[in-house]
Amino acid sequence: SAVISQKPSRDICQRGTSLTIQCQVDSQVTMMFWYRQQPGQSLTLIATANQGSEATYESGFVIDKFPISRPNLTFSTLTVSNMSPEDSSIYLCSVVRTGNEKLFFGSGTQLSVL
Amino acid sequence: GENVEQHPSTLSVQEGDSAVIKCTYSDSASNYFPWYKQELGKRPQLIIDIRSNVGEKKDQRIAVTLNKTAKHFSLHITETQPEDSAVYFCAASSNRDDKIIFGKGTRLHILP
Repeated sequence: SAVISQKPSRDICQRGTSLTIQCQVDSQVTMMFWYRQQPGQSLTLIATANQGSEATYESGFVIDKFPISRPNLTFSTLTVSNMSPEDSSIYLCSVVRTGNEKLFFGSGTQLSVL
Repeated sequence: GENVEQHPSTLSVQEGDSAVIKCTYSDSASNYFPWYKQELGKRPQLIIDIRSNVGEKKDQRIAVTLNKTAKHFSLHITETQPEDSAVYFCAASSNRDDKIIFGKGTRLHILP
C-alpha cells in the first residue's frame, strides 16, 4: 500500500473561514481523489484531482467551495472555503498507485466548524 | 452515474457464525468491486476485491461473490470473531473513469 500523509489531522474552525488540507504520497500515483465522510455516513466522492489541470467535480460539489490543486503526481490540496457548520466532516485523500487499481486512504482530516 | 446499494445497514451475529453483506450496482460498465472495513476513528482499509472476470474470491475467512448478470455482489465472513466488528463498505468502479463509488455501509456487531 502507499504511504499517504494527510494534514492537518483535525481542526476546529470558525464559520466563514477557509481551511486547506494537504495530501502527500510516498510514490507516484495515477489517480488522486478527495472524499467526504459525514458523521456515521458513507464515503462521498468530492472530486478527482487531476495533475496540472482543473479537478473533476462530482454532482453537488463546486470548485468555488472546494478548490483543489494537484501540482505534481504525489501532492494535492483540498480547500474548504467559506465554511459553515454543515461542512463539519471527515475529509479523506485517497490514491490509486501506478500499476495497481487498489484505492488507499489517507488518515483523514476531522473538521469541526463552529 | 454509478449507484451502489448495500444491505443490511446493521447486522448482528453470534461469534463463530457467518455474516453476509449484499450489494447491488447500477452501471453495467463497472468491473471492479472492492470491500473496505472501517473501525471506529480509523481510515477505511481494503480487505478484499474482485474483478468482473471472476465469480468468486476467497482470502482466509473472507470471501466475495459476484453475479455480473444480476449486478450484485456479496461479502461473506465465516467463523466471525470480535475483531470483525466494524463498518463494512462495498464499492464499484469502472475503467471508464476509475472513480470508486461506495455503498452506505453495514455496521457489523459480533455478539459474545
